[in-house]
Amino acid sequence: DAMVIQNPRYQVTQFGKPVTLSCSQTLNHNVMYWYQQKSSQAPKLLFHYYDKDFNNEADTPDNFQSRRPNTSFCFLDIRSPGLGDAAMYLCATSRVPGPQPQHFGDGTRLSIL
Amino acid sequence: GENVEQHPSTLSVQEGDSAVIKCTYSDSASNYFPWYKQELGKGPQLIIDIRSNVGEKKDQRIAVTLNKTAKHFSLHITETQPEDSAVYFCAANGFSGGYNKLIFGAGTRLAVHP
Repeated sequence: DAMVIQNPRYQVTQFGKPVTLSCSQTLNHNVMYWYQQKSSQAPKLLFHYYDKDFNNEADTPDNFQSRRPNTSFCFLDIRSPGLGDAAMYLCATSRVPGPQPQHFGDGTRLSIL
Repeated sequence: GENVEQHPSTLSVQEGDSAVIKCTYSDSASNYFPWYKQELGKGPQLIIDIRSNVGEKKDQRIAVTLNKTAKHFSLHITETQPEDSAVYFCAANGFSGGYNKLIFGAGTRLAVHP
């Protein structure tokens, strides 16, 4: 029944080694979001796609990029992970942008060695 | 831009008691206020939401109230159960960078003791 699926659930990478996290959705929603959540903190929006239109948050590091090859899939690429990038990464979707419910996946916990 | 403050940061209640979590927002243009429950190791799950044209909404043991004048909204959980233990986030929509997005509060860790 999972509607927003994130893979893998746990990812370990080395300092500076590129890593890709993936998200897929079965809701056919137009908007897909990526959030970073550190321990005991609120989710922090990194960027989102409205269809193919990419919207980056002003304070998202250049190290973080995203791809959305089709409606169902969205990827988060971290080019050169630093120790400070260790966090839970959450993908969410909404039918349209704006004041709408967002549906979250269960996240990928990223560890940096 | 929008700022959302949430209190308390931790809340401990006995099973069967009520729990209340409060949030305030700064942008009077905000018109959508969801509440999310996040269990350990899982993503946030929407439990209830309210729009600005409504003052109160209820779903079984959960209710949300909104006071637009004071710019605050609250989550009420009655007859709490141990499975209600989780982190709860409030949010409000706000305009930033040219588009509308959700701004989250810092979260409340609720512990319900049997």
